[in-house]
Amino acid sequence: EAAVTQSPRNKVTVTGGNVTLSCRQTNSHNYMYWYRQDTGHGLRLIHYSYGAGNLQIGDVPDGYKATRTTQEDFFLLLELASPSQTSLYFCASSDWTSSAETLYFGSGTRLTVL
Amino acid sequence: AQSVTQPDARVTVSEGASLQLRCKYSYSGTPYLFWYVQYQRQGLQLLLKYYSGDPVVQGVNGFEAEFSKSDSSFHLRKASVHWSDSAVYFCAASHHNYAQGLTFGLGTRVSVFP
Repeated sequence: EAAVTQSPRNKVTVTGGNVTLSCRQTNSHNYMYWYRQDTGHGLRLIHYSYGAGNLQIGDVPDGYKATRTTQEDFFLLLELASPSQTSLYFCASSDWTSSAETLYFGSGTRLTVL
Repeated sequence: AQSVTQPDARVTVSEGASLQLRCKYSYSGTPYLFWYVQYQRQGLQLLLKYYSGDPVVQGVNGFEAEFSKSDSSFHLRKASVHWSDSAVYFCAASHHNYAQGLTFGLGTRVSVFP
């Protein structure tokens, strides 16, 4: 079973604060994703990566940076957090070597920006 | 642009009753289609997926879904629900660029009452 671990589980920061969300997957998947989940919007893709050192822009990238340091580790950075970034963040991984691969999700990080 | 629509935000059913959750997709071709479930305070987990062949696909925990190209739909069904089926269910379709992962519907919250 694929394993995706996110940390921290919960995070509270203030407007203008600097936040890093971490994600590690242990299945050697090539693709990793950051989504945010908000009521009324479902899940929206922020950034994704297909390997160490690679970064691709998703559908809602403004205000976010990301970095893929290794095959396993993918970080989401909020350098000047704003209240609009209060959300539930999910990391996911997959191996799109076949046509319809499964996304494996972490348990999420709930971020509150005061 | 492709989209996934789940017209029912909330569904309430009695334990033992049948369940159907609706999903419609808008896509230029035939996407790969998925149903995910999210239990409280957890990440999303795959229930089932469709990419070709028999339009009725079986998933975990007694769930099945039926693909209809003519109707652009991928409805989820379960013959007899249990209280543990209370969760949020997401329909999703693959992005044209598979590397971008999935496009999700807004989700349907299912509450099962005894």
